[in-house]
Amino acid sequence: QMQLQESGPGLVKPSETLSLTCTVSGGSISSYSYYWGWIRQPPGKGLEWIATVYYTGSTYYNPSLRSRATISVDTSRNQFSLELNSVTAADTAVYYCARHSVAGDFWGQGTLVTVSS
Amino acid sequence: QPVLTQPPSSSASPGESARLTCTLPSDISVDYYSIYWYQQKPGSPPRYLLYYSSDSDKGQGSGVPSRFSGSKDASANTGVLLISGLQSEDEADYYCMIWPSNAWVFGGGTKLTVL
Repeated sequence: QMQLQESGPGLVKPSETLSLTCTVSGGSISSYSYYWGWIRQPPGKGLEWIATVYYTGSTYYNPSLRSRATISVDTSRNQFSLELNSVTAADTAVYYCARHSVAGDFWGQGTLVTVSS
Repeated sequence: QPVLTQPPSSSASPGESARLTCTLPSDISVDYYSIYWYQQKPGSPPRYLLYYSSDSDKGQGSGVPSRFSGSKDASANTGVLLISGLQSEDEADYYCMIWPSNAWVFGGGTKLTVL
């Protein structure tokens, strides 16, 4: 059974960079069938897609976050990562890593990141 | 990025059916996309329920009961999640999603109350 586990600091200061890693277990991140991505959910609000990466390194970004976000993949570690720079309080959210295939999705449990001084 | 429209709330009684809708913008056709559905309960991550493209191309998430089903209403450019035999445990937020150009595009979610 595949598992996705987010890791990273739970508290980030304003103007600094948020860094998160998703570790994939129970399956290979290098499968041609899957895309990998980050999605966030501010408290009490809906879901917002941030970025997607394919195992080849191809990346896709939400236009509203493109200038601040970087997604990358490390196939040797079976991990993919997100960096979001110049964060503000508006970036406070639960951040989920997820896997997409045409047959459906699989998500991690999520990690709360609070932006505060 | 297209925006998917979902009613903010819906309600039904136990044992009844709930029909949740997800309307695509007029410039993109529901015929071209699979519609994915998620259920989210407070404090938990979204749970993938199913996808529906056509009667011959659909799939159920692992462990999802068959009383959850999907369909499309092409005349309304809408994807539909039907929950039959409602149970109290079905009270949750429901999100629809499409996957255009390697991006997750979500609806705003519908809060389903089981009266």
